[in-house]
Amino acid sequence: AQSVTQLGSHVSVSEGALVLLRCNYSSSVPPYLFWYVQYPNQGLQLLLKYTSAATLVKGINGFEAEFKKSETSFHLTKPSAHMSDAAEYFCAVSDSNDYKLSFGAGTTVTVRA
Amino acid sequence: NAGVTQTPKFQVLKTGQSMTLQCAQDMNHNSMYWYRQDPGMGLRLIYYSASEGTTDKGEVPNGYNVSRLNKREFSLRLESAAPSQTSVYFCASSLDGGNPYGYTFGSGTRLTVV
Repeated sequence: AQSVTQLGSHVSVSEGALVLLRCNYSSSVPPYLFWYVQYPNQGLQLLLKYTSAATLVKGINGFEAEFKKSETSFHLTKPSAHMSDAAEYFCAVSDSNDYKLSFGAGTTVTVRA
Repeated sequence: NAGVTQTPKFQVLKTGQSMTLQCAQDMNHNSMYWYRQDPGMGLRLIYYSASEGTTDKGEVPNGYNVSRLNKREFSLRLESAAPSQTSVYFCASSLDGGNPYGYTFGSGTRLTVV
């Protein structure tokens, strides 16, 4: 069974500053890992995914994430925050043996002007 | 536009009333899912359907039933609504389970039970 822990339920950054959202997972088999973004009153949109190819994954809107097996982590970063990045972000994990995605509790990002 | 369509978008129910949330996808996906989203708890799986004709319980199935009507449609029924079922409900679909593609989500149904 998989599980996901997102460290920090709220993150506040200044416009132009680094965005770092932390995600740790547990999985008994090699995982598939995902980051989703949810804008207010909308559904979830896929930002990026790790599927056992390159460990550094680039996604939409300038986000990227690095898979570190030794740390069981999949942290999300963006070098320079924009006001439009204000949203809730979810890390999720599944594996090839399972149909289900398990989600973290989410991290809400606010961007200060 | 291709994707996952949920109806209704908003609903208010009285305790004890029943209702069905509808979900349809037009991407020829095999697997479909119902999640509920509550503050600070992320998304929790209620039921899923790995393929047409099959359904299975997820993490929080109590108080819900589902029907996989055909490959496109997967409905969620609340037989006797309770205030604890106040939540935002998301339907999602994927090409197959255990796949590396992730899910496509609908825009959600915001349900309030009073």
